[in-house]
Amino acid sequence: AQTVTQSQPEMSVQEAETVTLSCTYDTSESDYYLFWYKQPPSRQMILVIRQEAYKQQNATENRFSVNFQKAAKSFSLKISDSQLGDAAMYFCAYRSAWNNDMRFGAGTRLTVKP
Amino acid sequence: DGGITQSPKYLFRKEGQNVTLSCEQNLNHDAMYWYRQDPGQGLRLIYYSQIVNDFQKGDIAEGYSVSREKKESFPLTVTSAQKNPTAFYLCASSIPRGTGASSYEQYFGPGTRLTVT
Repeated sequence: AQTVTQSQPEMSVQEAETVTLSCTYDTSESDYYLFWYKQPPSRQMILVIRQEAYKQQNATENRFSVNFQKAAKSFSLKISDSQLGDAAMYFCAYRSAWNNDMRFGAGTRLTVKP
Repeated sequence: DGGITQSPKYLFRKEGQNVTLSCEQNLNHDAMYWYRQDPGQGLRLIYYSQIVNDFQKGDIAEGYSVSREKKESFPLTVTSAQKNPTAFYLCASSIPRGTGASSYEQYFGPGTRLTVT
């Protein structure tokens, strides 16, 4: 079974600075999807960014970008120009292209300091 | 507005009682999911359903039951057999594999916090 590991339970960043959240995963499959979700205090899960494994180009969504290293099975999230509203739990998730379930990491709690 | 609704937001029950959590979506998604979230842990899959009248157990299905009689609805029953039911429960839906979609992210409801005493 696939597993997703987030080795940083907590991270903090100064407002306007850049922070990188780490994620590694274990799989024997070659075709899959990776996601970063944000869960603010409201607990609503919000999709931040997605990456298709077959795409070599790293995904970018405004201030959010990923560093996808397929061979290393690494999928880190970089948040640039951090804002107070970025404070949340961030979950890395893996979804196989062959079934419908999704595997989540344990999450990283991000604090943004003013 | 398309989305997923879960009700109620907070639910309290006495130990030994069954309780049903509601999940409704109007996204026209075939696949629906139930997750449990405990402090310090990620989301763990309880049950999922790919089409109406079909569902499969996830990693922690013991003590839970579901039904999928309508495409829009996927209620979860927490039975008295569930040893530690107090948790935050999230419902999600997605376009299933094989539909030609470019990606298969899951869309989540706002969640239900269940407290059993």
